[in-house]
Amino acid sequence: EVQLVQSGAEVKKPGESLKISCKGSGYSFTSYWIGWVRQMPGKGLEWMGIIYPGDSDTRYSPSFQGQVTISADKSISTAYLQWSSLKASDTAMYYCARAPTLGYYYGMDVWGQGTTVTVSS
Amino acid sequence: QSALTQPASVSGSPGQSITISCTGTSSDVGGYNYVSWYQQHPGKAPKLMIYEVSNRPSGVSNRFSGSKSGNTASLTISGLQAEDEADYYCSSYTSSSTSVVFGGGTKLTVL
Repeated sequence: EVQLVQSGAEVKKPGESLKISCKGSGYSFTSYWIGWVRQMPGKGLEWMGIIYPGDSDTRYSPSFQGQVTISADKSISTAYLQWSSLKASDTAMYYCARAPTLGYYYGMDVWGQGTTVTVSS
Repeated sequence: QSALTQPASVSGSPGQSITISCTGTSSDVGGYNYVSWYQQHPGKAPKLMIYEVSNRPSGVSNRFSGSKSGNTASLTISGLQAEDEADYYCSSYTSSSTSVVFGGGTKLTVL
């Protein structure tokens, strides 16, 4: 079964760092893009960025460039989303999802279950 | 970058058809056939319903169809069923930032 399994919920304080993960299984991890999508409480989906684990090619939305870091470790089929200094406004659900090698804009067909990040003092 | 424009809500009765629009610019929806549509039920992860404007992934009902005219893409759901009640999001490649942008989302209510 093709699946993406994300790390568990996180509760952090402003200024702290955080790295959440997304592990792929049931398919060739290096042959698909892995993207990250934010959904703030009660709001819509926001495309954050995407990485191709095969060669680490990474693209960011202008809204998130410099705010987060996307990485991947193909040896363990895992992608990451990282913050160096969290803000309260980072409180949201974060989804990872895969897109085909053809192009990261072809649509994301498999999604993780989501990771809730809560940032509060 | 600006999100694509979708109506906040649409509604229809069981058995009817509804259409959700997604308006962008020539830099995104109008310039490329890379429009996707997602369905999201409350508390669940999104599900891909349409890709490349009008293609359905395996397993998606043929009651769902997509199209595009100019800078506006559309998702049509025919034979509405109670289970179709959900939020729907469009997305498109955008050349202005070589990234992807989502629409604001549309809440579909089945009356």
